[in-house]
Amino acid sequence: EVQVLESGGGLVQPGGSLRLSCTVSRVDFRYFAMTWIRQAPGKGLEWVSVISGSGDSTFYEDSVEGRFTISRDNSKNTLYLQMNSLRGDDTAIYYCARESPDLDYWGQGTLVTVSS
Amino acid sequence: DIQMTQSPSSLSASVGESVTITCRASQDIGTYLAWYQQKPGKAPKTLIYDASSLKSGVPSKFSGSGSGTDFTLTIRSLQPEDSATYYCQQYNSYPRTFGQGTKVENK
Repeated sequence: EVQVLESGGGLVQPGGSLRLSCTVSRVDFRYFAMTWIRQAPGKGLEWVSVISGSGDSTFYEDSVEGRFTISRDNSKNTLYLQMNSLRGDDTAIYYCARESPDLDYWGQGTLVTVSS
Repeated sequence: DIQMTQSPSSLSASVGESVTITCRASQDIGTYLAWYQQKPGKAPKTLIYDASSLKSGVPSKFSGSGSGTDFTLTIRSLQPEDSATYYCQQYNSYPRTFGQGTKVENK
């Protein structure tokens, strides 16, 4: 059974930074694109970013472009999301998921709260 | 960016009824569409991929159809455990986009 586990969430002040991690086990991690999706409290799902299996290609949702950076370390089966210049509307549960091409394995999510 | 519009935003149906949710894309996405089910406090789970293919382990009461810009998810014989929010998502192009969700409740 594939396991996906996010970590790194927490409370951060507006303008601050946070790095999320996502470890994936029991799968050939390097062969699959990985995605971050977020869900604000009581709201729907919002796609955030994707990175190719090799890490050579990335895409971002417009509102996070230039502020968030997705990366991966295939030797550690780990995906990252560096979030800078955080704003109140970035408050959400952040999920990572494997893209194949539907999002077939998800973590349980990690909560990011941006507030002073 | 491709906009995905779901309808209705919520619905209530009796046990045993069939329900249909629609999803419309703002441009042609072929059959690059998935449907997800999300229960409160849980991560979403894929029901349908490629518009009409049932994900392994998902009951056959769920079915999807459509291509191009118009898609449907049908839940046959609604049961209490089907109460959830359902989302469509296109994977024709980046950025990927989700519909706004349809909350399904038992009457």
